[in-house]
Amino acid sequence: TQLLEQSPQFLSIQEGENLTVYCNSSSVFSSLQWYRQEPGEGPVLLVTVVTGGEVKKLKRLTFQFGDARKDSSLHITAAQPGDTGLYLCAGNRNQGGKLIFGQGTELSVKP
Amino acid sequence: EAGVTQSPTHLIKTRGQQATLRCSPISGHTSVYWYQQALGLGLQFLLWYDEGEERNRGNFPPRFSGRQFPNYSSELNVNALELEDSALYLCASSLYGDQKPQYFGDGTRLSIL
Repeated sequence: TQLLEQSPQFLSIQEGENLTVYCNSSSVFSSLQWYRQEPGEGPVLLVTVVTGGEVKKLKRLTFQFGDARKDSSLHITAAQPGDTGLYLCAGNRNQGGKLIFGQGTELSVKP
Repeated sequence: EAGVTQSPTHLIKTRGQQATLRCSPISGHTSVYWYQQALGLGLQFLLWYDEGEERNRGNFPPRFSGRQFPNYSSELNVNALELEDSALYLCASSLYGDQKPQYFGDGTRLSIL
């Protein structure tokens, strides 16, 4: 059983389109991180959200933490080919340093 | 500022051998974490070290072990290698504390033949 469900698993879109990636759970998380990973590299931290209902923006990326701290979303506006990569959500449940990762969303943005 | 560095980049072993993977954390970070990223399984938590002590371990057999040195660098040792140990092993570091953001290195690709 996957504690954090990410959807969609794969997404292929054209440059300029908008998209949303979802990260859902039945469990409460004390914080949630979003990472992007490119082939041959490690995950790069994009954002950390800790407060229910929190919204953070990073240029064209908008991150939201659900009010109940059980879910999160990542919205990309006007996607660019440079946004291509594997997007991972990871939750912290105060379990001794352990991050629980979703399966990831493989995003491909075509020019 | 240098990020998390891992070595070697690639490691090829045969079944039954032992592997040692190394990690240097970001300067100032005292916590080091190890994760396994196997195909189809996503990232799975292996170990957490801080101040030289193992603070937590994930659901992996005892043949996965490690240590943290006084300079906060860390080693992951995998004994009696099995085919299913083939994966990308990622190290992350953070400031001390359960809620601190974790920053990852680029990993060691371990292939078991």
